[in-house]
Amino acid sequence: QVQLVESGGGLVTPGGSLRLSCTASGFTFTDYYMNWIRQAPGKGLEWLSYISGSGSTNYYADSVKGRFTISRDNAKNSLYLQMNNLRAEDTAVYYCAGAYQGYMHFDPWGQGTLVTVSS
Amino acid sequence: EIVVTQSPDTLSLSPGERATLSCRASQTVTSNYLAWYHQKPGQAPRLLIYGASSRATGIPDRFSGSGSGTDFTLTISRLEPEDFAVYYCQFYGSSPYTFGQGTKLEIK
Repeated sequence: QVQLVESGGGLVTPGGSLRLSCTASGFTFTDYYMNWIRQAPGKGLEWLSYISGSGSTNYYADSVKGRFTISRDNAKNSLYLQMNNLRAEDTAVYYCAGAYQGYMHFDPWGQGTLVTVSS
Repeated sequence: EIVVTQSPDTLSLSPGERATLSCRASQTVTSNYLAWYHQKPGQAPRLLIYGASSRATGIPDRFSGSGSGTDFTLTISRLEPEDFAVYYCQFYGSSPYTFGQGTKLEIK
């Protein structure tokens, strides 16, 4: 069945780095632009970044531009988010989500992975 | 950047009643690139509606979307117990792809 599974979350100190992964199954990975979306505790949804199916194009929200890097490995059906210079306000559940052929409504979604930035 | 505002923040209704949720964009949404999701506690959001009025795969027909321009509506014709959740609208015409702040649909 269609599935996205995130991993790599955890506790990190301010200024630290973390790399999230998302593994896809049950669909043609390259047909989908892939996205990272986060949700701070008790808050709403914030779109962060996308990468095209080929990996040639990406885009970032201003809140993470220059600190986060999105990438994908289509041979492994995997999506990544390298997060550097983390701040307390980056504490959130991070979701990966697909957007078929770049139509940026999101389906499917992973179950999320929690990132906590704290000293 | 388009700002998306939902109303009301909280909606208290009983099972069997009709729910009407609103979403307003700060600029015209081109090609009706407006989606709706719901999210239950501890779960990821689920796509309900895209293109303002098209139901996603597996979504029951009690869910319907309407609107154009800057004003959009999600209607749930007869509430089932599993419909009580937080609902988000999302603009996706161009990046950044902004979400509304959410409407909590709670049992009265």
